Amino acid sequence: ELKVEQNPLFLSMQEGKNYTIYCNYSTTSDRLYWYRQDPGKSLESLFVLLSNGAVKQEGRLMASLDTKARLSTLHITAAVHDLSATYFCAVDEDSNYQLIWGAGTKLIIKP
Amino acid sequence: GAVVSQHPSRVICKSGTSVKIECRSLDFQATTMFWYRQFPKQSLMLMATSNEGSKATYEQGVEKDKFLINHASLTLSTLTVTSAHPEDSSFYICSARVSAGGRSEQYFGPGTRLTVT
Repeated sequence: ELKVEQNPLFLSMQEGKNYTIYCNYSTTSDRLYWYRQDPGKSLESLFVLLSNGAVKQEGRLMASLDTKARLSTLHITAAVHDLSATYFCAVDEDSNYQLIWGAGTKLIIKP
Repeated sequence: GAVVSQHPSRVICKSGTSVKIECRSLDFQATTMFWYRQFPKQSLMLMATSNEGSKATYEQGVEKDKFLINHASLTLSTLTVTSAHPEDSSFYICSARVSAGGRSEQYFGPGTRLTVT
């Protein structure tokens, strides 16, 4: 059974700091997704990582995928308050194209 | 990018009544749509996979007679919560799968907040 674990589950940080959210998964999938969810809203796609070594960056966020380690990271650089949200990683399970979700990381960035 | 809409965005209903939620892919055809439920401060829970022209596949623990799914066209799937009870109050989100060149991605609707009184 595919499992996806995120850590930390909760992160409070100051503006201007750097931090990393980790996403570990238990099978050999090479398709991993990062989403952002604001309170009361649906999910916004951030990154789609489709191969080992994939690295994508958008603004202050950078995501990477290491399929050998079964690990993806979401790195936040010089955090700003607007990045406060809950971030989910999800892994695509080959057999039926379903996404298996991490528990989410609630990120609070204090001014 | 692909756009998925949901209607209504918010609904309040009385216990015992039924509520229908629509999920539409606006600028693409989706042979597969997914229905999720999300309780406060929790991750998404997949309820069922909806395939156009065939019966939906429900996840373990999800009552198919209570949560009726109809995927009658390539752009529309509906979820009907029958005989709703307060414990059915939740945030329901649909997504549509797009596949191209061996790559698959899900696009999410804006969600429907259901409150059962």
